[in-house]
Amino acid sequence: EVQLVESGGGLVQPGGSLRLSCAASGFTFSSYWMSWVRQAPGRGLEWVANINQDGSEKYYVNSVKGRFTISRDNAKNSLFLQMNSLRAEDTAVYFCASSATPADFDYWGQGTLVTVSS
Amino acid sequence: QSALTQPASVSGSPGQSITISCTGTSSDVGGYNYVSWYQQHPGKAPKLMIFDVTKRPSGVSNRFSGSKSGNTASLTISGLQAEDEADYYCCSYVSSSTVIFGGGTKLTVL
Repeated sequence: EVQLVESGGGLVQPGGSLRLSCAASGFTFSSYWMSWVRQAPGRGLEWVANINQDGSEKYYVNSVKGRFTISRDNAKNSLFLQMNSLRAEDTAVYFCASSATPADFDYWGQGTLVTVSS
Repeated sequence: QSALTQPASVSGSPGQSITISCTGTSSDVGGYNYVSWYQQHPGKAPKLMIFDVTKRPSGVSNRFSGSKSGNTASLTISGLQAEDEADYYCCSYVSSSTVIFGGGTKLTVL
């Protein structure tokens, strides 16, 4: 059974940092693109970042470029999102998702809530 | 990059068919056959319903179908059932492996 389990969310002050993790199991992690997708309270889905199978390609939505860094550890079947210089508008549930290509997210975790507030 | 345009809400009675549109540009929806659709029930993770415009993942009911014409993609749900009531999001490949979602559509089964 495919499982994606996010962790690392919480309350952080504006300007602070947080590192999200996503533990994968039940599939060949190293064969898939991985992404972070977020959903602000009561709002729609927003793609944040993705990374290719070997970590050599990384892409970001404009609003997080220079602040967020996506990475992966294929030996540990894990995906990460380092979030720096956090802003109130980064408040959201962050989902990790797997995909065979960059654009079709076939499996999703349950999400981890990040709240940026003073 | 602005979100793809979806109607905020659609509704239908059990057994009827509904269609949700997703309008983009020639740089996203119209430029690639990489449109996907997701169903999200309240408090749950999204679920892939359609990928590559028309393909259904294993286990998804054949009541769900996808299509595209020009810069507009569509999701059709036939034989509406109560459990179809959810939010639906379209998603398109843009360029350089980046992705964009639609604003979401709330489906109400009357």
